[in-house]
Amino acid sequence: QVQLEQSGAEVKKPGASVKVSCKTSGYSLTGHYMHWVRQAPGQGLEWMGWINPNSGVTDYAQKFQGRVTMTRDTSISTAYMELNRLRSDDTAVYYCARRVSGNSWYFDYWGQGTLVTVSS
Amino acid sequence: QSALTQPASVSGSPGQSITISCTGTSSDIGGYNYVSWYQQHPGKAPKLMIYDVTNRPSGVSSRFSGSKSGNTASLTISGLQAEDEADYYCTSYASSGTPVVFGGGTKLTVL
Repeated sequence: QVQLEQSGAEVKKPGASVKVSCKTSGYSLTGHYMHWVRQAPGQGLEWMGWINPNSGVTDYAQKFQGRVTMTRDTSISTAYMELNRLRSDDTAVYYCARRVSGNSWYFDYWGQGTLVTVSS
Repeated sequence: QSALTQPASVSGSPGQSITISCTGTSSDIGGYNYVSWYQQHPGKAPKLMIYDVTNRPSGVSSRFSGSKSGNTASLTISGLQAEDEADYYCTSYASSGTPVVFGGGTKLTVL
């Protein structure tokens, strides 16, 4: 069965970086775009960007341009999201979400989420 | 401010039906049949409930249905049950700005 297993919670200081991993199983990582979505405490969902794991091509929300990098390691079926120059308002749960293959745009599987806390 | 507009909260009694609206523009909801809905219980990841406006994934109850008219999509839950109490988010493909836009979420309370 398809599973997306994310890395554990992180506590970071302002200005630091965080790298969240999303290990996939039950399907080929290269067969589906991987998106990253975050959710601040008590807030809604916010789209951050995607990576095509086959080619490595990425597309980021303008809000995160210059601060976010999405990568993948196909040999271990894992996608990564790194966010730099962390601020307190980056405190959120970060999710990886698999986009269905083909022309449609929805996320059929999600990771369990990774809480990133930014605090001095 | 979210790109798609949802009511902050809705409520209903067990057995009743409720509808959650999601309003966008011609660049997202109105222009494409790529609206999806997600259910999120506290502390859990979102779960896909409806995709491509009207389709239900395998395993999702037939009490959940989706529709669209113009720039507004809707999620209807019939025969409300206690376990339906959750937050619900709509999303759509968008041709301007970010390719994925979310609604702000609607908290469903089952009275």
